[in-house]
Amino acid sequence: AQTVTQSQPEMSVQEAETVTLSCTYDTSESNYYLFWYKQPPSRQMILVIRQEAYKQQNATENRFSVNFQKAAKSFSLKISDSQLGDTAMYFCAFMKHGSSNTGKLIFGQGTTLQVKP
Amino acid sequence: DVKVTQSSRYLVKRTGEKVFLECVQDMDHENMFWYRQDPGLGLRLIYFSYDVKMKEKGDIPEGYSVSREKKERFSLILESASTNQTSMYLCASSPGTSGRGGTQYFGPGTRLLVL
Repeated sequence: AQTVTQSQPEMSVQEAETVTLSCTYDTSESNYYLFWYKQPPSRQMILVIRQEAYKQQNATENRFSVNFQKAAKSFSLKISDSQLGDTAMYFCAFMKHGSSNTGKLIFGQGTTLQVKP
Repeated sequence: DVKVTQSSRYLVKRTGEKVFLECVQDMDHENMFWYRQDPGLGLRLIYFSYDVKMKEKGDIPEGYSVSREKKERFSLILESASTNQTSMYLCASSPGTSGRGGTQYFGPGTRLLVL
């Protein structure tokens, strides 16, 4: 069975600085997807970034980028130039490629990030 | 934009009551999901559905059932609510294999309190 672990329950960062959220996962699959989702306080969860395991290039979306280390089964999220609106709970998630027709996700425990002014 | 709506943001029920949580998506997605979110545990999958009238158990289906009579609507049913079902419930939908690799779109959540 696949598992996803986020070892940092809470983090904080000063506005405009860079922060990295950690995520490790365990799987015997060779092809899969990894995601970071963001859940702002009292607001809907939204997708931040998505990585396909067969692609070696790390995904980026504006100020958000990932460091995908397939051999180490690590998938960290880097937020550059942190903004107050980045304050949220962040979830790392895994999905087997073979199950993409159902899209079943396995989530980590979440990391609460606070951006301080 | 994809829109996923849930019938209630907050709900208070008594132990033993039958509870219905409704979820509607407007993007013709094949797949729909119900999760519960608890502090320190992340999101855990209760049930999912990949087609009308089709359902599969997730990781924690005990005490829950679901119904999907129409493609856009997925209901979660607590047959006899218990206090350990107090939680945040999130609905999500995603396109099938032709979509964006399983990206899920979430509703705003229903915070359920069972007294």
